[in-house]
Amino acid sequence: DAKTTQPPSMDCAEGRAANLPCNHSTISGNEYVYWYRQIHSQGPQYIIHGLKNNETNEMASLIITEDRKSSTLILPHATLRDTAVYYCIAPRANDYKLSFGAGTTVTVRA
Amino acid sequence: GAGVSQSPSNKVTEKGKDVELRCDPISGHTALYWYRQSLGQGLEFLIYFQGNSAPDKSGLPSDRFSAERTGGSVSTLTIQRTQQEDSAVYLCASSQRTADTEAFFGQGTRLTVV
Repeated sequence: DAKTTQPPSMDCAEGRAANLPCNHSTISGNEYVYWYRQIHSQGPQYIIHGLKNNETNEMASLIITEDRKSSTLILPHATLRDTAVYYCIAPRANDYKLSFGAGTTVTVRA
Repeated sequence: GAGVSQSPSNKVTEKGKDVELRCDPISGHTALYWYRQSLGQGLEFLIYFQGNSAPDKSGLPSDRFSAERTGGSVSTLTIQRTQQEDSAVYLCASSQRTADTEAFFGQGTRLTVV
């Protein structure tokens, strides 16, 4: 995988936007950026993915820089249920293998 | 089924016994992964079945661990002579083996070795 780096933790106020950064400076041109999250005691859950363009779905938005060396996951209105570990992954282009790093532990506070 | 199913959901076994964990992936998904997550730790990659290609076994921690995927569908993770350090949640995921599709995870099997 293209190595990704994320901050180990961050806090966010309930109702505010949460902006989660991810660096992937070695990403190849055909490797996607994926975001997953893992809520305590549950299996990981897919959030969103993108290649070059910014993406938005019902859960979040993904902003990818023009050089594709970094991205930001945006949770527009964080709720307490968004407290989780968030993983940024760039699966290998040759075999799509998913490898998870330590992720960012996001704590949403009331 | 609609999602990835794992069984059993919980397993308690005595040290030294063998255990088998089962994963039923989403129908049609050619990629299947096994991960291990010890208490308070991250997801540790174990093995990746990638369609007709040879499986990537690079994450298996010892020769006590093995996995197979029969007929490109159901997968079984076997741990022989279990040790207390094998206690963890074992997670399975499946996906269509393309660059542009997400993986779906099961709820895991919690293994406790006593």
